[in-house]
Amino acid sequence: DAGVIQSPRHEVTEMGQEVTLRCKPISGHDYLFWYRQTMMRGLELLIYFNNNVPIDDSGMPEDRFSAKMPNASFSTLKIQPSEPRDSAVYFCASTQVYQETQYFGPGTRLLVL
Amino acid sequence: AQSVAQPEDQVNVAEGNPLTVKCTYSVSGNPYLFWYVQYPNRGLQFLLKYITGDNLVKGSYGFEAEFNKSQTSFHLKKPSALVSDSALYFCAVRVPAGAGNNRKLIWGLGTSLAVNP
Repeated sequence: DAGVIQSPRHEVTEMGQEVTLRCKPISGHDYLFWYRQTMMRGLELLIYFNNNVPIDDSGMPEDRFSAKMPNASFSTLKIQPSEPRDSAVYFCASTQVYQETQYFGPGTRLLVL
Repeated sequence: AQSVAQPEDQVNVAEGNPLTVKCTYSVSGNPYLFWYVQYPNRGLQFLLKYITGDNLVKGSYGFEAEFNKSQTSFHLKKPSALVSDSALYFCAVRVPAGAGNNRKLIWGLGTSLAVNP
């Protein structure tokens, strides 16, 4: 299996622009997680899905952030409009209902200027 | 509030020496406990977990961890450190509560391990 796939790996954008991050979970996994990692706040869970349905979005910072999972093999995290404080590494992870291990993608490093 | 603490931001050890990375937790209920490792510019990788059973669990790359319920700790250990073990280590906990599909992990802030040659 190719593992969790994220794109792009790096994104540099200007404040006010829309940013879309993409994730393909491991085939057969029914949970998908979006995390944000910064030096100041460490690893934060933004939102997670079960069978494509959002279960907990309490970590989404504000209305500028939205996440969708239209099918079992694809999810997006969108920031509109982006701000410099959104600069971070964003990780996607997936797992199965009978597993406890979360499998992480390589991350998207976002820099908002 | 439920939390995970990694009291040391950084741990330095000499190659060949034993290493310990500390983790304590504060949760209600019986926890599932995890250690993950992050190498530079990579995603997190699973190392080991405690769900039930023997308090000493063994994981990848020669790491092990001991669940201590009375001290609410889950310290990560390795008998002989390698330079290649240098990385960021995260402790995490999940409290399965009743029915439902809650899979939220509570994460520590991470401990940077530096193994010196």
